[in-house]
Amino acid sequence: QQQVKQSPQSLIVQKGGISIINCAYENTAFDYFPWYQQFPGKGPALLIAIRPDVSEKKEGRFTISFNKSAKQFSLHIMDSQPGDSATYFCAAARLSGGYNKLIFGAGTRLAVHP
Amino acid sequence: EAGVAQSPRYKIIEKRQSVAFWCNPISGHATLYWYQQILGQGPKLLIQFQNNGVVDDSQLPKDRFSAERLKGVDSTLKIQPAKLEDSAVYLCASSREREQFFGPGTRLTVL
Repeated sequence: QQQVKQSPQSLIVQKGGISIINCAYENTAFDYFPWYQQFPGKGPALLIAIRPDVSEKKEGRFTISFNKSAKQFSLHIMDSQPGDSATYFCAAARLSGGYNKLIFGAGTRLAVHP
Repeated sequence: EAGVAQSPRYKIIEKRQSVAFWCNPISGHATLYWYQQILGQGPKLLIQFQNNGVVDDSQLPKDRFSAERLKGVDSTLKIQPAKLEDSAVYLCASSREREQFFGPGTRLTVL
């Protein structure tokens, strides 16, 4: 129940294309869904996050789509650039529990080819 | 604003040896986290501190791992004795509110 399942494991996209990464969760108590971006040798950095009271959130080229009934959420990267090549992690947390404990997916390695 | 600092960045030890990692969180962040990131996996929370009190250590292997947070600021994570399966990147993060800020991590290799 604490797992967050992420797919695909790896993704290759051409420059200018759309990158789509999907995540699914089981625990309906989760109420915070962030996406993190990690470059080699660096720690993860928050990219964008969503709460379950909205179905979509957009920040620049990055959009989260959230489907509460299906317990799924996805990250869309529009106009993908070579600089977006990194590993992306979805995560979930139950903020209402007061602990802010993030449960991470296994990650998606994205390569954007010029 | 300075980020989360960690040291050392790399450490190679033999199994059964001891090792310690240090973390200095962002100034003013009351909450500090230690994560273990095994190659090819997402980070897994080991322990969470609120100031200098432990909030969650349910996934910390307490027979060999220990952690403390000195005066509610810096923190150390220790492994004693290390096993081969402890090879991973150990990430420290801190937060004031919801967003967690991660340090660069310490890559541990156990031979």
